[in-house]
Amino acid sequence: GAVVSQHPSRVICKSGTSVKIECRSLDFQATTMFWYRQFPKKSLMLMATSNEGSKATYEQGVEKDKFLINHASLTLSTLTVTSAHPEDSSFYICSARNGGRYGYTFGSGTRLTVV
Amino acid sequence: SQQGEEDPQALSIQEGENATMNCSYKTSINNLQWYRQNSGRGLVHLILIRSNEREKHSGRLRVTLDTSKKSSSLLITASRAADTASYFCATDEGTYKYIFGTGTRLKVLA
Repeated sequence: GAVVSQHPSRVICKSGTSVKIECRSLDFQATTMFWYRQFPKKSLMLMATSNEGSKATYEQGVEKDKFLINHASLTLSTLTVTSAHPEDSSFYICSARNGGRYGYTFGSGTRLTVV
Repeated sequence: SQQGEEDPQALSIQEGENATMNCSYKTSINNLQWYRQNSGRGLVHLILIRSNEREKHSGRLRVTLDTSKKSSSLLITASRAADTASYFCATDEGTYKYIFGTGTRLKVLA
């Protein structure tokens, strides 16, 4: 149980376009989800906390207009990278609070490449 | 920086040897977790230790926590080539968001 599905796993897009990444909790409801960004061989940096039915809370230095987060239901949060640039290329991972023994479940990540 | 520090940054050992990784953090915590990440993949939860616990075991894993020193260690005994991965600690500071350490890249040579 407590599975989080993240889609797509890989995406290549052109500069200037927008890309949407989905994070779904498959067998539990997640009122809170988190979005992380990871550069190659680096750790995970928390970008924002996604709250169902309300605005996301962004970490310092993260552009809200660049990284749009929507958490419209108890099982889905989306991260949209708007007007993508090559420097947005990264590995993006979501996690969801599952209320279970370990509290959090991570998605398998999305590798975004902007060309 | 919001992140904790892990050392070593990289570790290379022979199969069968033990691997020890350390994590230091900066603030009071509710709990600390260790995760594993294979290259380019998502994170796999390994073990959680609460702030009132000092040591936990899970299979070949042993985790210690010293809240007075704000540090934790992860020991993998009898390592295998399949243990090759990056290992991260993550701390819950009571705000329900986890802050990750810088990670240790472990390479186990067959």
